[in-house]
Amino acid sequence: EVQLVESGGGLVQPGRSLRLSCAASGFTFLDYGMHWVRQAPGKGLEWVSGISWNSDSIEYADSVKGRFTISRDNARNSLYLQMNSLRAEDTALYYCAKGNSYSMSSFCDYWGQGTLVTVSS
Amino acid sequence: EIVLTQSPATLSLSPGERVTLSCRASQSVSSFLAWYQQKPGQPPRLLMYDASNRATGIPARFSGSGSGTDFTLTISSLEPEDFAVYYCQHRYNRPNTFGQGTKLGIK
Repeated sequence: EVQLVESGGGLVQPGRSLRLSCAASGFTFLDYGMHWVRQAPGKGLEWVSGISWNSDSIEYADSVKGRFTISRDNARNSLYLQMNSLRAEDTALYYCAKGNSYSMSSFCDYWGQGTLVTVSS
Repeated sequence: EIVLTQSPATLSLSPGERVTLSCRASQSVSSFLAWYQQKPGQPPRLLMYDASNRATGIPARFSGSGSGTDFTLTISSLEPEDFAVYYCQHRYNRPNTFGQGTKLGIK
């Protein structure tokens, strides 16, 4: 059974940093691209970032480019999102999602339950 | 950035009815479009990928069609569990944007 478990969310002040983690199990992690998708309270879905199976291809939404860094550790079956210079508009539920191919150009076929990030003073 | 526009924003129907949801792209995305279903308090669930392929475990009452800029998701006969929010997403280029969603409610 595919499982994705996010952690690392919480309340943080504007301008500070946070690192999200996603522990994957139930599939061969290194065979698939991975994504972070967020959802602000009561709003729709926003794709944040994606990474290919071998980390060769990485992309970001314009709204987080230069502030967020996605990475993965295939030996640890883990995905990460380093979030710097956080803003109030980054407040959202952050989902880790498995891609349905090795590429970053993939759809999200399994999702975690999300971890909530609240940016507020 | 490719903008996906979903219509209608909301609709109310009864179980057993047929429904067609629309997703229009601001430029061609070929067939690289997916549909997701999201219920309150749950993560999204992939329904269709690459326009017309049902994801694993998705019932046959769900079907997708389209290419280029115009896509549809059809539910042939609504079940009570189908009332939810539906999103489209493309993977033609980055960012892989989502549509704003269509909320399907019970009449």
